[in-house]
Order: sequence, then C-alpha cells, then structure tokens
Amino acid sequence: AQRVTQPEKLLSVFKGAPVELKCNYSYSGSPELFWYVQYSRQRLQLLLRHISRESIKGFTADLNKGETSFHLKKPFAQEEDSAMYYCALRGDTGNQFYFGTGTSLTVIP
Amino acid sequence: EAQVTQNPRYLITVTGKKLTVTCSQNMNHEYMSWYRQDPGLGLRQIYYSMNVEVTDKGDVPEGYKVSRKEKRNFPLILESPSPNQTSLYFCASSRTYLQSYEQYFGPGTRLTVT
Repeated sequence: AQRVTQPEKLLSVFKGAPVELKCNYSYSGSPELFWYVQYSRQRLQLLLRHISRESIKGFTADLNKGETSFHLKKPFAQEEDSAMYYCALRGDTGNQFYFGTGTSLTVIP
Repeated sequence: EAQVTQNPRYLITVTGKKLTVTCSQNMNHEYMSWYRQDPGLGLRQIYYSMNVEVTDKGDVPEGYKVSRKEKRNFPLILESPSPNQTSLYFCASSRTYLQSYEQYFGPGTRLTVT
C-alpha cells in the first residue's frame, strides 16, 4: 500500500541555518514524489517534483530509492520559508495522490 | 483570473442533513479532485475525476458522492453527514491527469457537522 510519512510535525531553525524536512514513502513500483508548500493565508501549491531534479527557491530534494526517502533540503533557511510543507506520492495510475501529514517549518530571525 | 472556487467557505450543519459543496474552475482543466484535511492526518483524497463523466474513488470515499456533468464543476455531496466528516475540504484541478501533480487548489471549505 502507498504511504507517505513525515516524522516531524514541527521544525524550527534559525535564519541562515541548513534545513531538512524528512519524507519517507512506501511504494511497490516506481514512485513519483512531490513537495507542496502552503504559506500563511495562501493556497497549497507545488514546490518541486523529483523527476525535474531542479532547485526551486533554493530547495532541492533527491529521491533515494534504497532508503525510500525524499527529503527536502535548503542550505540556508530564510524567514520567508516559514510555511507548511507536504510530501506527496502519485500512485500507479497517475490519478491518485497520497499526502504526508505535513511539517510546519518556522525560520527564526 | 484563473482560479478554483468553492462554496460555501464555511458551513455548520446537523447530522443527516444532506449538503453539497460546490467546486468550479475556469481553466478548462480535465482533472479535478477533492481532499479533506484533518489534524495529524494531512490531506487525504476523497474522489477524483479525469474528465467529464469519469470519476473514481480516492483513499477515503465513504460517505461522499461526486458528479462531473460539466468540465468546470465538480460538486461534493454528503448525503447524510456525520460528525466524523467535520473537516477542511479542498477542491483541486489540473490540466490533465498526467499533470495532476500541478494541481490548483481552492481556498477550502470548513465543514462542521454537529
């Protein structure tokens, strides 16, 4: 069964410090994984997808199939990164989505 | 302006009283989806639709119905709401099911069932 686990509900880091938001998944095939972000008073939006392998707003995420992980990283956190982050997995058919429980990131000035 | 709208935004109702939450998008998107968000559980997919007249169950469809008679609308129907359906509901749409990862989310509907 597909499952996405985000072990940290809350994460606080100081501005300029590195940040890593953890995501582990359970999936029997070739997963498609994504990170979504929800800033205060804004709608949930796509941050990045593992296939594109790009850096968005300084964030990167590498799919590690051996560890079944897709951690989100940024070397130097900024105050504007404070938000709710969700890891998500797209299922076999491409239609179903499975979201993690989310991690609330606070960047302390 | 491209957007996904939901109505109502807030609703308090009683157990067993049928209700409909509407969702509409103006982007000519084929794929639409409903989620519920609960503390500690994150977002869970209720139903999705790949196109008009094509709908399928997500992870938590029990107690919900949907219909997709027109491309722009995807209403969520609770025939007999129960308190465990108290939640924050989000509608989302994307151009196609292949691009379902790039979903545009609505503002949310906060439902309370007493």
